[in-house]
Amino acid sequence: DAKTTQPNSMESNEEEPVHLPCNHSTISGTDYIHWYRQLPSQGPEYVIHGLTSNVNNRMASLAIAEDRKSSTLILHRATLRDAAVYYCSGTRGSSNTGKLIFGQGTTLQVKP
Amino acid sequence: NAGVMQNPRHLVRRRGQEARLRCSPMKGHSHVYWYRQLPEEGLKFMVYLQKENIIDESGMPKERFSAEFPKEGPSILRIQQVVRGDSAAYFCASSPRDGGEQYFGPGTRLTVT
Repeated sequence: DAKTTQPNSMESNEEEPVHLPCNHSTISGTDYIHWYRQLPSQGPEYVIHGLTSNVNNRMASLAIAEDRKSSTLILHRATLRDAAVYYCSGTRGSSNTGKLIFGQGTTLQVKP
Repeated sequence: NAGVMQNPRHLVRRRGQEARLRCSPMKGHSHVYWYRQLPEEGLKFMVYLQKENIIDESGMPKERFSAEFPKEGPSILRIQQVVRGDSAAYFCASSPRDGGEQYFGPGTRLTVT
């Protein structure tokens, strides 16, 4: 299982971009990189995932290093509602797997 | 399309009783995952099921815990003879494909007294 390392906490100002890093040096070639976030007392929310290429969706962008040992989640304009714990995880793309292995995550604080 | 539904949202059991947690995946999703979050800790994978099959139960405690995902009806996580250490939030997630994005339910918060 791919292990991940993230900073414990980060701060951002509202309406500024945020770059959340994740190291996953043990990731295998078929592991997808997933990002989720969790607000207090709620279930995790899917943010984005990718394999090799950078990915964009309405919530965020995912930049994956060429060697795939790290990735960065980019929130283009942080809002107060983006304050949450952000988790990155590796999960296999091969059949019969797909479990997410969560680390401690990064607690993002957004200041008005 | 309704999201993942879990019930009950809160469950209180005395030590030694049984707890049954239910999860209805999103329509069209045949992959179900269960995770546990202990107080002040991160999410831990428990079990991965497809319809009528347990695919990966490597995170499930060997005793007292079982899971099923029948052909009809919700997935059930069953905890027999609960102990205080079972108090946690239990989240279910469903996915349209193996390795795909997972959509989580609101969780069931189990309290063992």
